[in-house]
Amino acid sequence: DPKIIQKPKYLVAVTGSEKILICEQYLGHNAMYWYRQSAKKPLEFMFSYSYQKLMDNQTASSRFQPQSSKKNHLDLQITALKPDDSATYFCASSQDGGALAETLYFGSGTRLTVL
Amino acid sequence: GDSVTQTEGLVTLTEGLPVMLNCTYQTIYSNPFLFWYVQHLNESPRLLLKSFTDNKRTEHQGFHATLHKSSSSFHLQKSSAQLSDSALYYCALSDRGNTNTGKLTFGDGTVLTVKP
Repeated sequence: DPKIIQKPKYLVAVTGSEKILICEQYLGHNAMYWYRQSAKKPLEFMFSYSYQKLMDNQTASSRFQPQSSKKNHLDLQITALKPDDSATYFCASSQDGGALAETLYFGSGTRLTVL
Repeated sequence: GDSVTQTEGLVTLTEGLPVMLNCTYQTIYSNPFLFWYVQHLNESPRLLLKSFTDNKRTEHQGFHATLHKSSSSFHLQKSSAQLSDSALYYCALSDRGNTNTGKLTFGDGTVLTVKP
């Protein structure tokens, strides 16, 4: 059974619309992340949360907003979608987020296409 | 900021030949942690191996890498390629500057294709 669940697996949206990408992890980890993978920039860090607190934000645009309602949830809300937002969005988790050598565990990804 | 360079975007090998994927990095911090992640087609990335000890060989699943701080390198090697090794390989860096954020900086990735 997958330990990091991302929903939906595929998502098609129109330009200007808003979507929420869902992520839940059942590894008992305290840190969660969002990474983006596209043809232009493979595996790009977006956000990190540790114990439900935002630790780092490398996303220039405020259109991307993470939402953590529970320790094992980290959703990603994207507003005013643009075709350039088309990518696979990976949720990941690690034990605590504060250690240098922690292993990242990735979900299966949500492939977003913006038309 | 930190950066990771993987010089080859695409490597094609014949089964049984040795594999070497290059990775160099730049960071202002003296104690970096280096990782190799592998992503098979239609799957998510998963850790292959990691290291933070200078000049110590790290091995996992037939692959090995040695962190050389003197040359800022962490090349991935395998003595004999298998068809199942075909995948996208990412080198990644974490350093003390990112201790409190958990951020990994990934290279652009190398697609390894192993042919019969």
